[in-house]
Amino acid sequence: SAVISQKPSRDICQRGTSLTIQCQVDSQVTMMFWYRQQPGQSLTLIATANQGSEATYESGFVIDKFPISRPNLTFSTLTVSNMSPEDSSIYLCSVLSGGRTDTQYFGPGTRLTVL
Amino acid sequence: AQSVTQPDIHITVSEGASLELRCNYSYGATPYLFWYVQSPGQGLQLLLKYFSGDTLVQGIKGFEAEFKRSQSSFNLRKPSVHWSDAAEYFCAVKGYKLSFGAGTTVTVRA
Repeated sequence: SAVISQKPSRDICQRGTSLTIQCQVDSQVTMMFWYRQQPGQSLTLIATANQGSEATYESGFVIDKFPISRPNLTFSTLTVSNMSPEDSSIYLCSVLSGGRTDTQYFGPGTRLTVL
Repeated sequence: AQSVTQPDIHITVSEGASLELRCNYSYGATPYLFWYVQSPGQGLQLLLKYFSGDTLVQGIKGFEAEFKRSQSSFNLRKPSVHWSDAAEYFCAVKGYKLSFGAGTTVTVRA
């Protein structure tokens, strides 16, 4: 399986500001995913990011709020824009890896608190 | 539509006792099923997965799961729980995307 790292691991931000979360993978992967896990909740898919194309957003998530970059096959960023306390969540990066197209592996997550 | 139901929000088990976590899924075709574990402050770790074949699947950390098509279930089991098994457990089904259940929190008492 791929080794996935995320930066920052946690942050506390003021409302109205933006935070960019980085996801780095130790091998080339085609598909990367960004998830949100609100406090005490399960995981919700924000978007799928393929290298060389626009990210595909799930219902309820928009590019203006969660812009995503995917400049190469090992890296992606998610920006949480114009933050409000409701954006306080864990944000997780995920990839399809290991030669399988059906198994996703997850990064350690970024714990975001918005005051 | 695809969905996953984990009926138990919270389970408390004594160390050394057996553990079973329930998972029911809804998916029109043959599902790909997964169990992930999330320890406090950590990301998700894959415990095991079912794609096809033998309906009893072995995973890491001594866990196993059984796929029962007739019951649309994929329950996770461990014969003897260790204190380090205290965590949040998520069942997931992959159709056009990976969908997660609400999770079951496992508390292990000494």
